[in-house]
Amino acid sequence: AQSVTQLGSHVSVSEGALVLLRCNYSSSVPPYLFWYVQYPNQGLQLLLKYTTGATLVKGINGFEAEFKKSETSFHLTKPSAHMSDAAEYFCAVHDRGSTLGRLYFGRGTQLTVWP
Amino acid sequence: ETGVTQSPTHLIKTRGQQVTLRCSSQSGHNTVSWYQQALGQGPQFIFQYYREEENGRGNFPPRFSGLQFPNYSSELNVNALELDDSALYLCASSLLSASGIYNEQFFGPGTRLTVL
Repeated sequence: AQSVTQLGSHVSVSEGALVLLRCNYSSSVPPYLFWYVQYPNQGLQLLLKYTTGATLVKGINGFEAEFKKSETSFHLTKPSAHMSDAAEYFCAVHDRGSTLGRLYFGRGTQLTVWP
Repeated sequence: ETGVTQSPTHLIKTRGQQVTLRCSSQSGHNTVSWYQQALGQGPQFIFQYYREEENGRGNFPPRFSGLQFPNYSSELNVNALELDDSALYLCASSLLSASGIYNEQFFGPGTRLTVL
């Protein structure tokens, strides 16, 4: 079974600072990779995804992530944090080639942005 | 285009009771997945429905069951509720193509279930 590890359950940054949220996956075959954001009392919104092609993926709200096969990582970054980025972020994977739409999620990272 | 909707938004039940949660898929989608998100955890896959049949299940007991209707809406039923069933239940819809290519899942806002 897939395992997704998000290092750091809480990350705090100042407004304007770099945001770095870490994600590592366990499978030997690179899966499809996703980052979702969850605002309080809301569902999950897709930020970005990697399926194939360019390993640096750009998403919404200025976020981007880089797939590194050698490190089995898919870390999420944003050059300059904004107050509205405060939310919970989940990394998720899907088994490449599987017809079952099952996503495996990490435990999430709560991002706090200080003024 | 209507997104994924879920009802009710909040629900309080007592241990041993049964509960039904509902989900309406996004227009054009034929697959529904259900996830359980306990407090402080990531969502855990319960099961997926395609063409009105369960076609995949996570590590959840049989007292978690579901239905998918011809209009692709879905229900999640949980019998004999336990305290640990307290969680946010998320529904996600997607389009499963004939080629089996994975398409993005769109999530609803969730139903918050509290079991006392």
